[in-house]
Amino acid sequence: DVKVTQSSRYLVKRTGEKVFLECVQDMDHENMFWYRQDPGLGLRLIYFSYDVKMKEKGDIPEGYSVSREKKERFSLILESASTNQTSMYLCASSGLTDTQYFGPGTRLTVL
Amino acid sequence: GENVEQHPSTLSVQEGDSAVIKCTYSDSASNYFPWYKQELGKRPQLIIDIRSNVGEKKDQRIAVTLNKTAKHFSLHITETQPEDSAVYFCAASKGGTSYGKLTFGQGTILTVHP
Repeated sequence: DVKVTQSSRYLVKRTGEKVFLECVQDMDHENMFWYRQDPGLGLRLIYFSYDVKMKEKGDIPEGYSVSREKKERFSLILESASTNQTSMYLCASSGLTDTQYFGPGTRLTVL
Repeated sequence: GENVEQHPSTLSVQEGDSAVIKCTYSDSASNYFPWYKQELGKRPQLIIDIRSNVGEKKDQRIAVTLNKTAKHFSLHITETQPEDSAVYFCAASKGGTSYGKLTFGQGTILTVHP
């Protein structure tokens, strides 16, 4: 059974702080994704990665960066958190079948 | 890039009724169309998907239909139950050529009243 875990369920940070969100999957999936989820806007792709050290911008990459140093781990970085980055962040992974498996999400509040 | 529109944004039905959620997509190269269900406080989970070489797929009370010419696909839930209450997301993808990248619709909040 695929397991995708995220480092925190809830996180509160202050404006200007550097924030790290981590995601780990245990199914040896090549592809990993970071989304943010806001009411009425669905799931919007921030960044994705199809291999170690490889990354591609999604639809809303501004203000974010990512790191994938190991196949199982994909990190989302907010270089300088702002209040408009308050949101639910979801990580997902997929392999050969295209099905994406999601983590439980991190609800980030930036004060 | 791909754009997926989903309607309605909210849907309220009585238990036992049918529910239909519709999505349109813009990129004719898309060939994989999954549907995800997200219960309150939980992660999205795949409930059914369809590929462009078929027009309809069923799994018990849920079915998905695809019209490639019109570029739209729909989720049908029959004999709805209160546990069907959730947010439903459609998505579109070019499949294996796009590293599994999905473009999601805005979501539909389905409420099934007992």
